[in-house]
Amino acid sequence: AQTVTQSQPEMSVQEAETVTLSCTYDTSENNYYLFWYKQPPSRQMILVIRQEAYKQQNATENRFSVNFQKAAKSFSLKISDSQLGDTAMYFCAFIALFSGSRLTFGEGTQLTVNP
Amino acid sequence: DGGITQSPKYLFRKEGQNVTLSCEQNLNHDAMYWYRQDPGQGLRLIYYSQIVNDFQKGDIAEGYSVSREKKESFPLTVTSAQKNPTAFYLCASSISTGFLRGTEAFFGQGTRLTVV
Repeated sequence: AQTVTQSQPEMSVQEAETVTLSCTYDTSENNYYLFWYKQPPSRQMILVIRQEAYKQQNATENRFSVNFQKAAKSFSLKISDSQLGDTAMYFCAFIALFSGSRLTFGEGTQLTVNP
Repeated sequence: DGGITQSPKYLFRKEGQNVTLSCEQNLNHDAMYWYRQDPGQGLRLIYYSQIVNDFQKGDIAEGYSVSREKKESFPLTVTSAQKNPTAFYLCASSISTGFLRGTEAFFGQGTRLTVV
């Protein structure tokens, strides 16, 4: 079974600065997807970005980008030009491409953007 | 509009009682999930279902039960055997087949269950 680990329970960053959230995972699968979801105080889960394991190019979505290191099983999220609205809990998640349909989440990182 | 709906938003239960949380989706998704979220902890998987009439235990299934009689519905019953049921419960759905698993999972707005 796969596991997802986020080793930073809390992080803070000043507005307009850059922050990186870490995520590692363990799996025997070769084909899978990785995600970062955001949960603001409203508790509604929002997809931030996703990465296909078979793609070497790192995914980017506006101010959000990932550093995907497949051999190291590492999947970090970089947020550039942080905004107050980025304050939220961030979850890393994993799903295998072909075996089962289990969507597994990490423990989450609470990010606070300070003015 | 397509989406996933959880009800109720807040639920109070007396100790020793079973309670059922509702989750309905009209997205035509095959896969559905139940997660539990406690303060300071991540989303822990309770049960998941890839297809009608089939479901699998997640990491913390003890004290919970589910059914999947219809594609649109995946209710979760919190039984009296669950020792500490007070938590926030999230339901999600997604496409379950092949490369489409990379598409977004949709989440309900959650149910806050409190044992009184």
